[in-house]
Amino acid sequence: AQSVTQLDSHVSVSEGTPVLLRCNYSSSYSPSLFWYVQHPNKGLQLLLKYTSAATLVKGINGFEAEFKKSETSFHLTKPSAHMSDAAEYFCVVSYYNQGGKLIFGQGTELSVKP
Amino acid sequence: GAGVSQSPSNKVTEKGKDVELRCDPISGHTALYWYRQRLGQGLEFLIYFQGNSAPDKSGLPSDRFSAERTGESVSTLTIQRTQQEDSAVYLCASSPQPYSGANVLTFGAGSRLTVL
Repeated sequence: AQSVTQLDSHVSVSEGTPVLLRCNYSSSYSPSLFWYVQHPNKGLQLLLKYTSAATLVKGINGFEAEFKKSETSFHLTKPSAHMSDAAEYFCVVSYYNQGGKLIFGQGTELSVKP
Repeated sequence: GAGVSQSPSNKVTEKGKDVELRCDPISGHTALYWYRQRLGQGLEFLIYFQGNSAPDKSGLPSDRFSAERTGESVSTLTIQRTQQEDSAVYLCASSPQPYSGANVLTFGAGSRLTVL
């Protein structure tokens, strides 16, 4: 079965330092890849998406992700963390041969220390 | 409306009771999805509507779960004879496009169900 794996369940960084949230997907036909963020008691919000255009995707709030087919990875990065970035982040994949169903990773909780 | 609305936001029920969860999608969005999020886990797909038909209900965990949608409007997820393992946050999402690999979904805040 197609799947997506988030390699860290929890990441802690200091404010102003870089953020790296790792995601690997199972290899298949051209996937569509997304990162969603979930703040406490709020709905899921789309950060960015990759749909076979440029491999480096820029999203909202300074986040970006790079699609690396050879590594089947789609890691999320941000140069400098802000306190407001503390949230749960989900890597999501969909495959056209599965009807576009969204498959969610288990999530990575990002903590930002002052 | 401006966003996807779900009600109730919180529901506590006793084991064996039936519950109904409601989702109001963004006006004009033809696609509607239900997902379940258990504590500390990712989202599990339950069912997808295009208009008022459900082309994919492969994620419904048992025949105790059912969902319906009126036209391109409100959807109701019904869980009969609730069990403790049904405790989760149930998330609804909608999308203006038909089902495709590049769907961008707008999610509601969820309905937290606790079964005692």
